Amino acid sequence: DIQLTQSPSSLSASVGDRVTITCRAGQSISRFLNWYQQKPGTPPKLLIYAASSLQSGVPSRFSGSGSGTDFTLTISSLQPEDSATYYCQQSYSLYTFGQGTKLEIK
Amino acid sequence: QVQLVESGGGVVQPGRSLRLSCAASGFTFSYYALHWVRQAPGRGLEWVALISSDGFRKNYADSVKGRFTISRDTSKNTMFLQMSSLRAEDTAVYYCARDIGGPEGGLDVWGQGTTVTVSS
Repeated sequence: DIQLTQSPSSLSASVGDRVTITCRAGQSISRFLNWYQQKPGTPPKLLIYAASSLQSGVPSRFSGSGSGTDFTLTISSLQPEDSATYYCQQSYSLYTFGQGTKLEIK
Repeated sequence: QVQLVESGGGVVQPGRSLRLSCAASGFTFSYYALHWVRQAPGRGLEWVALISSDGFRKNYADSVKGRFTISRDTSKNTMFLQMSSLRAEDTAVYYCARDIGGPEGGLDVWGQGTTVTVSS
């Protein structure tokens, strides 16, 4: 199984801040990396697929980058509605999720 | 609109079986691979199983291999997850999700989830 490690596990930031979440894979996964946002009591929502492609309907303040083993999700200007838990997921060899990053608004 | 609706969850005793259903609408069912993903209370997401668009390819997480069986019925636009030999650690919200297609994967449509509780 390919392990994914997200950092940090949680963070608190202010509206307007630039926020970066990192996902590291246990082996190279090329660009087979997706990002999701989940709010309490709701299913996950796909934000980014194939490491850097923005899913339709997702605000442009969200972006993804990386390849191989190191990936990042960036929120360029944090909004109140971005309070959520964020997960990375690899689809290189079956599927694995990272442990999640809980983002709170100060 | 594009929609997935899960059903079949409930409370079941350890060692018993349960079958979940995922009804699809608003898209061409036979074009897409589908997944089951679960989330234990207060925990993160765990991928459970995948079935290809034609139903021939099936993959499972090690934690459920040999106990869970994924299937689909194109005539009913429905996917299933047959769960047997259930354990307390199978307690979770079970989501079905559509694969975006293409090699990079990504799950672009999700149901609201159905809750499975394994308890005596």
